[in-house]
Amino acid sequence: GAVVSQHPSWVICKSGTSVKIECRSLDFQATTMFWYRQFPKQSLMLMATSNEGSKATYEQGVEKDKFLINHASLTLSTLTVTSAHPEDSSFYICSARGQVADTQYFGPGTRLTVL
Amino acid sequence: SQQGEEDPQALSIQEGENATMNCSYKTSINNLQWYRQNSGRGLVHLILIRSNEREKHSGRLRVTLDTSKKSSSLLITASRAADTASYFCAPVSGTYKYIFGTGTRLKVLA
Repeated sequence: GAVVSQHPSWVICKSGTSVKIECRSLDFQATTMFWYRQFPKQSLMLMATSNEGSKATYEQGVEKDKFLINHASLTLSTLTVTSAHPEDSSFYICSARGQVADTQYFGPGTRLTVL
Repeated sequence: SQQGEEDPQALSIQEGENATMNCSYKTSINNLQWYRQNSGRGLVHLILIRSNEREKHSGRLRVTLDTSKKSSSLLITASRAADTASYFCAPVSGTYKYIFGTGTRLKVLA
């Protein structure tokens, strides 16, 4: 149990385009989902926390107008990188926490490359 | 929540040997969790230890928690090449935001 999927697993796009990444909890309801980014050989950096049906809470330094997060249902959260630039190239990972779980379960990540 | 700091930053051992990595944190916790990340993948949950527990086992994994020293250790016994990965701890208190440290990069040589 406790499987989280992400789609796509990788994406290459041109500078200036927008990219949407989906995060789904497959076998449990996720009241809270988290979005992280990770640069090569570095740790995961928390970008934002999203609760179902409410606005996401962004960490300091993360542009909320650039990284749009929607958590419309208990099993789906989306991260949209708007007007992507090469410096947005990174590994984006989501995690999900259930209503009673003490644990976050992570997706497999999405590799974004902006040309 | 707070950031855990893993130590050492890198560890290289021979297959069959034991690997020990440590995690330190600053304030009281509800629980502490260990995760593994293989290169280019997401994090896999390994084990959760609660603040009132001192030791927990799961297969070849043994986790200890010393709340007086605000530290935890993860021991992997009889390591295998497949254990090669980065390992992160997540001390959890209050909110469930995880703030990760740089992790321990474990390399198991065949």
